[in-house]
Amino acid sequence: EMVLTQSPGTLSLSPGERATLSCRASHSVISNYLAWYQQKPGQAPRLLIYGASNRATGIPDRFSGSGSGTDFTLTISRLEPEDFGVYYCQQYGISSPRTFGGGTKVEI
Amino acid sequence: EVTLVESGGGLVQPGGSLRLSCAASGFTFSSFWMHWVRQAPGKGLVWVSRIKSDGDSTIYADSVKGRFTSSRDNAKNSLYLQLNSLRVEDTAVYYCARDGGGGPLGAFDIWGQGTLVTVSS
Repeated sequence: EMVLTQSPGTLSLSPGERATLSCRASHSVISNYLAWYQQKPGQAPRLLIYGASNRATGIPDRFSGSGSGTDFTLTISRLEPEDFGVYYCQQYGISSPRTFGGGTKVEI
Repeated sequence: EVTLVESGGGLVQPGGSLRLSCAASGFTFSSFWMHWVRQAPGKGLVWVSRIKSDGDSTIYADSVKGRFTSSRDNAKNSLYLQLNSLRVEDTAVYYCARDGGGGPLGAFDIWGQGTLVTVSS
């Protein structure tokens, strides 16, 4: 079973700073089918990035994804106050199970 | 507007059953594979199950296999999750999510707001 390990667990930054979130897979992610989601307290997750580097509809360009194989990164170039929350990576190259990482909490 | 709205959550005793529903609107429901994802209080996201667009195929996480059943009624634009033999550790917010890939492999591009299931005596 694919295991996704996210680091750091918590990131404490100020508005305007750059955030770099890591997601490491236990096996190579097929076709770079790696997604990133943002979840704010009391809300459902929201898709940010799919295919490792493609922004979902309506996602600001300060969010970018990169990586391939087993190492992936989500970068928020200039943090805005509304970017606080928990970020999850997920692989979807294997139909079952659709593994999520443990999450990185971004504190502004 | 594309939306998913879950319902059916509540308090149930261990060993009990519950049926969750997810109503879809704003898109051609019958064309999309669908998923259930759950989140225990204060914990991360855990994938639960996936159902094919025509309802012909389902797969489940090992933790719920044999106890949960996913189904759908494309005529009613609705997805269901039957939860049987519930355990305390099934307590979670349950989300339905659309597979945006148009097939069996895609990111979850649309999520419902979630419905809370609490299993407690």
